[in-house]
Order: sequence, then C-alpha cells, then structure tokens
Amino acid sequence: DAGITQSPRHKVTETGTPVTLRCHQTENHRYMYWYRQDPGHGLRLIHYSYGVKDTDKGEVSDGYSVSRSKTEDFLLTLESATSSQTSVYFCAISEGEYYTFGSGTRLTVV
Amino acid sequence: QKEVEQNSGPLSVPEGAIASLNCTYSDRGSQSFFWYRQYSGKSPELIMFIYSNGDKEDGRFTAQLNKASQYVSLLIRDSQPSDSATYLCAVNMGGGADGLTFGKGTHLIIQP
Repeated sequence: DAGITQSPRHKVTETGTPVTLRCHQTENHRYMYWYRQDPGHGLRLIHYSYGVKDTDKGEVSDGYSVSRSKTEDFLLTLESATSSQTSVYFCAISEGEYYTFGSGTRLTVV
Repeated sequence: QKEVEQNSGPLSVPEGAIASLNCTYSDRGSQSFFWYRQYSGKSPELIMFIYSNGDKEDGRFTAQLNKASQYVSLLIRDSQPSDSATYLCAVNMGGGADGLTFGKGTHLIIQP
C-alpha cells in the first residue's frame, strides 16, 4: 500500500521468543495503529500512537508493547510470544477520517 | 462493551442485483461510520464513510445511516463478481483518533 509498509510480511517464531514487527510510513501522519485479525474476531485494536513517544492501549494490548521514536516508525513487540498471538497483524495510519492499512504481517507462533 | 455487529454470511447475490449489507453499533456517541472491503489475504480498503443521517452515494455504492436505530448499511448496485469479498463495518466510537472499532465482517458472494 502506498505510503505504508510492514515488515516482515511473514514470520514463524517459537513460543517464548521476543518478536518485533515494524510499520513504516512516508506520509508524515500523526496517528498510527496496530490491529490483529483473527477468524471469528475481526480486526481488533492492540495499541495506537498519536505522536512521537505518545502511545496508548487498545482493546487487546496484553502481551504487547509498542514504541514510536520517530514519526515514520511504529514498532510492535511481543515480549514473549505465545501461540494465542498467532495472527495477521495490520498497521494503519490515519489522516482525518482516512485510515490506510498496510499489507499485513502473518505471524505464526509454534 | 462497545460493539459493532454484522451478519457473517455468506450472503449470496446474483450478478446484476443489489447487495445489501447491514451493521449495528452499540455506542450512541459514535460519530463516523465506515465501510471497508477486504479480499482474501489482502488488507482492508476503504469504500466510503458517512457522518450524517441519510444516504451517501458513491458510484455503485450507497451508505445509509440511521443514528436513532444505531444502524448503518451498504448497498451495492449492479453487483459484479469482482465485488465478492468480505465487507467490514467500522465505527469511530470515541469521536477522536483512538482508532476504529470493527465488526467481524460479512462475506459477500456474487454469483455469475
């Protein structure tokens, strides 16, 4: 998606290991979000950021932390991955009412 | 708990017919309402958003909002096979920039 990239696109990791997902934007938007999408649950908000070093928790924040040291980068960290964190993770940016999603990261915890 | 409800489907519609997708939300303070389309394995794409009661049209798509009934719908006219996808209803419940609350989506199938 134009202006927003996620890395990696796919990752397989072992239970108990730390994992960091990266979201990078070139749009200079203030607001950034991390969602997870699971069958039967839809998209659920994990954390969001409203500026550099300004972040807040979403609906399903347990087990996740985030950091935003630069406007363009929003990092999502699973401190100790569990099988319940196997999911597709989407980053989004917003400008007014326009939310744009990245292509997603498919994370599998084995 | 703030919720957005959608029928998961699948909703099957003949090609050329009108597809009607529905969504209800729990928070009366919600201010803006969105419809996204998501193809399998892809990211959500914004179709349109609506703020005010009534209808909003964009090409073959019409969003309808009834705040008194806490109900929002999406009509797709002249449905095409390429419209087959999952349609996500989303609501900005806080009115701020603290993210959207999504329904679980309705799987739409357009039958040629």
